[in-house]
Amino acid sequence: DTEVTQTPKHLVMGMTNKKSLKCEQHMGHRAMYWYKQKAKKPPELMFVYSYEKLSINESVPSRFSPECPNSSLLNLHLHALQPEDSALYLCASSQTNNEQFFGPGTRLTVL
Amino acid sequence: EDQVTQSPEALRLQEGESSSLNCSYTVSGLRGLFWYRQDPGKGPEFLFTLYSAGEEKEKERLKATLTKKESFLHITAPKPEDSATYLCAVLGTGYALNFGKGTSLLVTP
Repeated sequence: DTEVTQTPKHLVMGMTNKKSLKCEQHMGHRAMYWYKQKAKKPPELMFVYSYEKLSINESVPSRFSPECPNSSLLNLHLHALQPEDSALYLCASSQTNNEQFFGPGTRLTVL
Repeated sequence: EDQVTQSPEALRLQEGESSSLNCSYTVSGLRGLFWYRQDPGKGPEFLFTLYSAGEEKEKERLKATLTKKESFLHITAPKPEDSATYLCAVLGTGYALNFGKGTSLLVTP
């Protein structure tokens, strides 16, 4: 099973809202990732968790807060976002140093 | 700094018209080169991993090859359902995949 699941598929939120994106994988992968993708651009790395510890934060604003409750789950907490944060948010997982498998993404719109 | 350049940016083919997509890269300590397919509004779908020069991988109408400076994705007798954006990415010494900007492929009947 090479499936990464993400919920919700679509999310519309106001600039004062707090929401969370969820990601789950059951492949036994020990690395999980959050990416942001704008239209017609490649994915941009935001965060990396390795063995449930945050190992990379690519200078992402604090209005994005990642959380890794266990080896299968990854959350991205959102607060006080800006309209320019509207994008496709992708979760991925991998065995360390191997190919990353992506979820279907959450299409986020910030009003 | 790792760099990945894909060409062409866009490619239009007739059904059955074979072609190749190019991915040129510079990376210190290549640990893998990856090809993904992405449909609009969806997550990238993993296609191939290549680790060393001379390596080749095949899947249905797709074949990926690797040299020390570039990779090719050959598409043989494409069908309309092969239309998508094809992304190339390299993994160097860190955790981050370094993506190219992609090639948007349109196959017309």
